Amino acid sequence: DARVTQTPRHKVTEMGQEVTMRCQPILGHNTVFWYRQTMMQGLELLAYFRNRAPLDDSGMPKDRFSAEMPDATLATLKIQPSEPRDSAVYFCASGFQSDTQYFGPGTRLTVL
Amino acid sequence: QKEVEQNSGPLSVPEGAIASLNCTYSDRGSQSFFWYRQYSGKSPELIMSIYSNGDKEDGRFTAQLNKASQYVSLLIRDSQPSDSATYLCAVRAGSARQLTFGSGTQLTVLP
Repeated sequence: DARVTQTPRHKVTEMGQEVTMRCQPILGHNTVFWYRQTMMQGLELLAYFRNRAPLDDSGMPKDRFSAEMPDATLATLKIQPSEPRDSAVYFCASGFQSDTQYFGPGTRLTVL
Repeated sequence: QKEVEQNSGPLSVPEGAIASLNCTYSDRGSQSFFWYRQYSGKSPELIMSIYSNGDKEDGRFTAQLNKASQYVSLLIRDSQPSDSATYLCAVRAGSARQLTFGSGTQLTVLP
């Protein structure tokens, strides 16, 4: 049963600390998406990769967020420095040719 | 105006009834349409995709697409309490590579 995996599932940190979230897409999928979900804003696209190349990161605050895909089996999302307003659930999704997306379980981030 | 709009609900229906969820979108060039179900505290789960005008049925679920009116709907027949969740509509515009999600409709099926 192929699934997107994400680590950690929960993260509590203090303001100013670096946070790294990891995602393993489904084997064979060539597109990876990072989303953030909050009650107020709903599901927002942060960044999007195709064949490991970043295609769109316009949804990300550039000064503190960065997304990379060092290889086909790993995508990372970093926040440095973290702020309380970054508290949210961060989802990774993968797909083939970007249409159908399958979501991972998410990382619930709390920044104190 | 939001690109993808849904009634936030909550929508309550009795068990066994038909639940009707609606979504409108602003980009006439949109090509692909999806319905995701999200249980509280869980991740979105794809339940239906539709690409052509008309109806598409999958078990108790029917997706309906009307590109001329720019709306897509999801019907759930014989609703069950286990269908209680938030339903997210997602649309891919013609020129875009990514999906745009609506804010979701919260559905409660009452036993």
